Amino acid sequence: AQSVTQPDIHITVSEGASLELRCNYSYGATPYLFWYVQSPGQGLQLLLKYFSGDTLVQGIKGFEAEFKRSQSSFNLRKPSVHWSDAAEYFCAVAPMNSGYSTLTFGKGTMLLVSP
Amino acid sequence: DAGVIQSPRHEVTEMGQEVTLRCKPISGHDYLFWYRQTMMRGLELLIYFNNNVPIDDSGMPEDRFSAKMPNASFSTLKIQPSEPRDSAVYFCASSLAIDNQPQHFGDGTRLSIL
Repeated sequence: AQSVTQPDIHITVSEGASLELRCNYSYGATPYLFWYVQSPGQGLQLLLKYFSGDTLVQGIKGFEAEFKRSQSSFNLRKPSVHWSDAAEYFCAVAPMNSGYSTLTFGKGTMLLVSP
Repeated sequence: DAGVIQSPRHEVTEMGQEVTLRCKPISGHDYLFWYRQTMMRGLELLIYFNNNVPIDDSGMPEDRFSAKMPNASFSTLKIQPSEPRDSAVYFCASSLAIDNQPQHFGDGTRLSIL
């Protein structure tokens, strides 16, 4: 069965500093990969997705993620964090080439931004 | 464009009562998903529909939970009777019927069972 691990439950970053959120997955083949963000009291919003091709994908709000097959990782990065980035971030996977597939989510990483 | 609309946003009720959560997916989306989010278990898929037909309900925790999609623009998730351990945030999401198009989430219903 596929699984997603986000090893950091909470991360605190100073405003203006760089950010990296970790995500590792376990699956027999390369899956589709996603990052979602959830602001308090709201639903999840898609930041970016990886299906194939260039392993560095760009998303909204200045985020990017890099797929590393050898490490089964899909880490999310941002060069300079803004206070409005404080939220919970979820990594998710779905099996590739299986018709429509369902998402498996990690437990999330809460990002706190300090002044 | 209107996103996924869920109602109510908050529900507080007493144990044993029937609870009905509602969802209107994005127009034209063929897939609809119901999730439950708790601190302990994170986001769990409960059930999903394709063209109004339930495809996989293996995530529904018990027979107390039921979901319907009578038409393409409306779905309900019902809990009867409700229990305190059902307290959670319930999300509805929808997507297009193209392989792995992203799911669009509603803002959720925060359910508290006293």
